[in-house]
Amino acid sequence: AQTVTQSQPEMSVQEAETVTLSCTYDTSESDYYLFWYKQPPSRQMILVIRQEAYKQQNATENRFSVNFQKAAKSFSLKISDSQLGDAAMYFCAYGPGDDKIIFGKGTRLHILP
Amino acid sequence: KAGVTQTPRYLIKTRGQQVTLSCSPISGHRSVSWYQQTPGQGLQFLFEYFSETQRNKGNFPGRFSGRQFSNSRSEMNVSTLELGDSALYLCASSFTGGGVPLHFGNGTRLTVT
Repeated sequence: AQTVTQSQPEMSVQEAETVTLSCTYDTSESDYYLFWYKQPPSRQMILVIRQEAYKQQNATENRFSVNFQKAAKSFSLKISDSQLGDAAMYFCAYGPGDDKIIFGKGTRLHILP
Repeated sequence: KAGVTQTPRYLIKTRGQQVTLSCSPISGHRSVSWYQQTPGQGLQFLFEYFSETQRNKGNFPGRFSGRQFSNSRSEMNVSTLELGDSALYLCASSFTGGGVPLHFGNGTRLTVT
């Protein structure tokens, strides 16, 4: 069965610093998608970044980038120049393309002013 | 374009009662997925509907059911409520489902007393 593991339940980072959130997943599929979602206190889940497994190039969205290691089944999220508005719960998710998207249990990120 | 709309936002029910939650997807989206979010278990997949048919189902008891209408709106029903059903229920829509990014609503917070 596919699983997604986020080993860091909570993390803190100083404002303007860089932080990396870890995620590993388990699958026997070769073609799939990986996502990072952000859930602020407002509760709405917001897509941060998406990576197609067949693409070797790591996805980047402004201050957010990923380190995708397909062989290691690792998909970490790097947030550069952290801002107070980045404080939220971050979920790593795996989508095999024709089945449900599976989420990790999340990492709560605190931004210290 | 309007986002995913979930109603109601908050609900308080008593054990043994039943409840119906509603989700209106983004216009044009045909896939609607439901997730249960709790602090201990994270986001757990309930089911996905596509063109009025249940396409995927998670590991929840039969008390949890859903349906999708011809306009893609979806409802989720929980019968014989238990205290453990207290959770945030999130609905998400997408064009096709599967590995494409999900667009989430703000969720319905269900409290069972």
